[in-house]
Amino acid sequence: NAGVTQTPKFRILKIGQSMTLQCTQDMNHNYMYWYRQDPGMGLKLIYYSVGAGITDKGEVPNGYNVSRSTTEDFPLRLELAAPSQTSVYFCASTPGGVNDEQYFGPGTRLTVT
Amino acid sequence: GNSVTQMEGPVTLSEEAFLTINCTYTATGYPSLFWYVQYPGEGLQLLLKATKADDKGSNKGFEATYRKETTSFHLEKGSVQVSDSAVYFCALSGVYNFNKFYFGSGTKLNVKP
Repeated sequence: NAGVTQTPKFRILKIGQSMTLQCTQDMNHNYMYWYRQDPGMGLKLIYYSVGAGITDKGEVPNGYNVSRSTTEDFPLRLELAAPSQTSVYFCASTPGGVNDEQYFGPGTRLTVT
Repeated sequence: GNSVTQMEGPVTLSEEAFLTINCTYTATGYPSLFWYVQYPGEGLQLLLKATKADDKGSNKGFEATYRKETTSFHLEKGSVQVSDSAVYFCALSGVYNFNKFYFGSGTKLNVKP
């Protein structure tokens, strides 16, 4: 049981490039989330999904896109990378019960120069 | 709306000192409350949780009590170790949308030998 896995661990992008951050969970969780964590700051929700085929915006969705074709995978797409997207990105999942906690991946550190 | 406020850090303590990290929340009804810990270079992991008023969550010597009357969930440990150095996040899950999570900004703890 690997939990939540993310790839890559590190990435440097040039301004205007695009990339996809991968997230996979093997716990059959319904809910999945993408957060960003800027240096010295808390977590900001980018997008979340309540199940395959269903996604919704969080508080900072601009510049990102997501899809959820399977229960396991929840990739985050960055189009036209900007320096403001330099951050650490965390994927998380939760089963969906009332008192359930979130399970986090190890993060992807992205630098846009 | 829902929100979490944590004391600002960093908090610097000597080994074996007593730790308190304050957390207060705003929410409608009775949310579930969580403390997560983030070690350097890693994702967040659940430290403890409490799901109803007066519950005490505990793990690895850390404790926090769900206080409805003061809307607080302060984290305490009687004797910290160098290995406790990390960033601690207080969080709640929404009452009516219990799969939405709200995080505090995090408190960095430095423990010196």
